Amino acid sequence: GAGVSQTPSNKVTEKGKYVELRCDPISGHTALYWYRQSLGQGPEFLIYFQGTGAADDSGLPNDRFFAVRPEGSVSTLKIQRTERGDSAVYLCASSRQGASDTQYFGPGTRLTVL
Amino acid sequence: TQLLEQSPQFLSIQEGENLTVYCNSSSVFSSLQWYRQEPGEGPVLLVTVVTGGEVKKLKRLTFQFGDARKDSSLHITAAQPGDTGLYLCALQTFSGNTPLVFGKGTRLSVIA
Repeated sequence: GAGVSQTPSNKVTEKGKYVELRCDPISGHTALYWYRQSLGQGPEFLIYFQGTGAADDSGLPNDRFFAVRPEGSVSTLKIQRTERGDSAVYLCASSRQGASDTQYFGPGTRLTVL
Repeated sequence: TQLLEQSPQFLSIQEGENLTVYCNSSSVFSSLQWYRQEPGEGPVLLVTVVTGGEVKKLKRLTFQFGDARKDSSLHITAAQPGDTGLYLCALQTFSGNTPLVFGKGTRLSVIA
């Protein structure tokens, strides 16, 4: 069956630009998560959606980062005024219901800010 | 403050050798998960350990959860090149609805 998909797989942008990263979760999964993985690090939590609403956005580093999930399925992570320090792999995961269920990860989007 | 410490950070061994990697925390946690991540892919769940002292086996991989629920180990017997990857441990706190907290991982390379 189809797993979690993320587009684009790679994104190169210039400092100061705006980017959008997309995540398609497993069909029927109500919980969706965004993580950021910098080089040599484990994934770091950014935001967790339960349905359409953000249940926990405590991991967003600052107000340049924003995420939406308007219909409770696809989610978009938006980064404004990108900085070189935003370069990382952005991972999306989904789970059937809540944070205690198994999370299935997508392959990630590698963002490079020049 | 790093909630989870993994060691070693890097490990390079010959095919057929045994190895153990460790995951330690200063806090007690409700459950711990081990993942493997290959280049260009997201982490894939290997096992979840919940009970203190619990041991789980997955083919040549043996996972142990410490009695005090603050540490865990992963032992691989007769490592194969296909075991190469980044091994991550992740915990959930007792609240149950918090997202996972990951360690930095152990990068394993098994040389044929």
